[in-house]
Amino acid sequence: EAGVTQFPSHSVIEKGQTVTLRCDPISGHDNLYWYRRVMGKEIKFLLHFVKESKQDESGMPNNRFLAERTGGTYSTLKVQPAELEDSGVYFCASRGLMNTGELFFGEGSRLTVL
Amino acid sequence: AQTVTQSQPEMSVQEAETVTLSCTYDTSESDYYLFWYKQPPSRQMILVIRQEAYKQQNATENRFSVNFQKAAKSFSLKISDSQLGDAAMYFCAYSTLKAAGNKLTFGGGTRVLVKP
Repeated sequence: EAGVTQFPSHSVIEKGQTVTLRCDPISGHDNLYWYRRVMGKEIKFLLHFVKESKQDESGMPNNRFLAERTGGTYSTLKVQPAELEDSGVYFCASRGLMNTGELFFGEGSRLTVL
Repeated sequence: AQTVTQSQPEMSVQEAETVTLSCTYDTSESDYYLFWYKQPPSRQMILVIRQEAYKQQNATENRFSVNFQKAAKSFSLKISDSQLGDAAMYFCAYSTLKAAGNKLTFGGGTRVLVKP
């Protein structure tokens, strides 16, 4: 069974440009999460989908960030326009219906904004 | 709000030796989960060990064990017989049981270096 996959693994863009990160969760996992680690600091929660619905988006930093999960399968996280402080590693995680507390993470997408 | 603190940015251990990573947290809740996740270089983060707060017995997974002190809000990870493959970033994390969202609150991480 494939794990959580994220694309791209690394993206370098200029300030003001747009970047879209993609996450494919483990097949059948209704719960999908986005996290971010900026400049070696703590990993911070961004938002949580249950199927295609946003369950909790309290961690989204501002309206330059847009997350979608059309059809309840893969998810995208768009940053538009990107700022320097958006640089970091964006992690996606998923879990199934059984809540054991464990999340399954992807390798992360590293974003560098110049 | 819950917070998780890892006071050791980096720890070094000799192969086959033991290393202990510290983690403290702050919460007003009585029921919750605590986790240690491991992220090897350029690899995904994987769960090392999980502890339910209502369980007094410390969790153990092979060479990994925890020392859970609920009153002190401390959750340290002991890696015994360290192996080269244990080299990674280790993150302590907290999850409330109340919310259906199950979002994790992470510490800043501890980098473990294993010397051959």
